[in-house]
Amino acid sequence: SQQGEEDPQALSIQEGENATMNCSYKTSINNLQWYRQNSGRGLVHLILIRSNEREKHSGRLRVTLDTSKKSSSLLITASRAADTASYFCATGFKAAGNKLTFGGGTRVLVKP
Amino acid sequence: DAGVTQSPTHLIKTRGQQVTLRCSPKSGHDTVSWYQQALGQGPQFIFQYYEEEERQRGNFPDRFSGHQFPNYSSELNVNALLLGDSALYLCASSWAGASGLEQYFGPGTRLTVT
Repeated sequence: SQQGEEDPQALSIQEGENATMNCSYKTSINNLQWYRQNSGRGLVHLILIRSNEREKHSGRLRVTLDTSKKSSSLLITASRAADTASYFCATGFKAAGNKLTFGGGTRVLVKP
Repeated sequence: DAGVTQSPTHLIKTRGQQVTLRCSPKSGHDTVSWYQQALGQGPQFIFQYYEEEERQRGNFPDRFSGHQFPNYSSELNVNALLLGDSALYLCASSWAGASGLEQYFGPGTRLTVT
């Protein structure tokens, strides 16, 4: 079963615009990670946020985490055509070996 | 520093056959997890190996089995293949230490069952 639900399922934007996607989850976590996947290839780790953190930045990426609402968001600023990919959130709980539970993903298309 | 590697890249098998997929973890990592990703869906956790033992298992039948070797590499075996086993199989490695939360994924093995 998948714990996370990404919203929206698909997103189409123009180059230069910002892209925001949301993730909701159901059970307790101690970390949440965002991954990118291009055309059915392997997953690329983007950013990890711990349950005691509220916001984290990495380059053009900004992730927020609201544990009271069991939700997270990923913002990509000034998007580029190369950002076209599927984005997945995954929740983990270290005591359980940190196995990751993924959502269904958001498919982002950045048009040049 | 080589990342996570997987072999083979693609594989075509017939229903009922058996398959073995291989994974070498990122240097310094001691834990290997396997995931199945059906087309258009997110990855689903199969199992995780640490110290050559299965530590966690997802909701997959016993047809799915694995092994971890002393050098931390791992194999995923699937017996009696079904059409529904067609998927991208992803291996991820991590470090079991307290700060080892990130999992790094390999490029995957695309399995097609006909």
